[in-house]
Amino acid sequence: LAKTTQPISMDSYEGQEVNITCSHNNIATNDYITWYQQFPSQGPRFIIQGYKTKVTNEVASLFIPADRKSSTLSLPRVSLSDTAVYYCLVAQLNRDDKIIFGKGTRLHILP
Amino acid sequence: GAVVSQHPSRVICKSGTSVKIECRSLDFQATTMFWYRQFPKQSLMLMATSNEGSKATYEQGVEKDKFLINHASLTLSTLTVTSAHPEDSSFYICSADEEDRGPYNEQFFGPGTRLTVL
Repeated sequence: LAKTTQPISMDSYEGQEVNITCSHNNIATNDYITWYQQFPSQGPRFIIQGYKTKVTNEVASLFIPADRKSSTLSLPRVSLSDTAVYYCLVAQLNRDDKIIFGKGTRLHILP
Repeated sequence: GAVVSQHPSRVICKSGTSVKIECRSLDFQATTMFWYRQFPKQSLMLMATSNEGSKATYEQGVEKDKFLINHASLTLSTLTVTSAHPEDSSFYICSADEEDRGPYNEQFFGPGTRLTVL
């Protein structure tokens, strides 16, 4: 399982775009990159997943450079409710594969 | 998306008692479920992989005789914390992988169970 490195914490303001970068230098050819969000006292929630280039959904975008050794989660126009911990995971994610969580990034949105 | 529930959401017990936590996949079948533990301000730590109809696979350092896992059906896994002590107080979370996946390879997490041992 590829190890990931993320900033421990970040602060931003409401209405700003927030970019959280994750390093995964040992990513394998069959690995996917997945981001989860976790609010206090709740289970993690899937945000976005990608393999290469750019992926966008209704809540976020994921940018993955050609070498795939890093990825950036982009949250457009954040609000106070986006305050949470964000986890970057790298794994093949074959069905029934276990997930190992890194330390995550604690994002704090200020008014 | 698929829904995973946990019961109870919160439990307080006395030291030395056993506590059972249920994890259910509400609208899908899961041959494999996972149990995590999370201490305050820390990340999720995988405890074990729960396999339907067979023994659970425990991560290194997790006592299988203390954390009993039973996966009796395709929609239910239980975690029993035996002879609980205050250091077992934590947030316990389960997850499951849906049988018929959508476009993403994702696991669905339960809402968690807050265990407090007095």
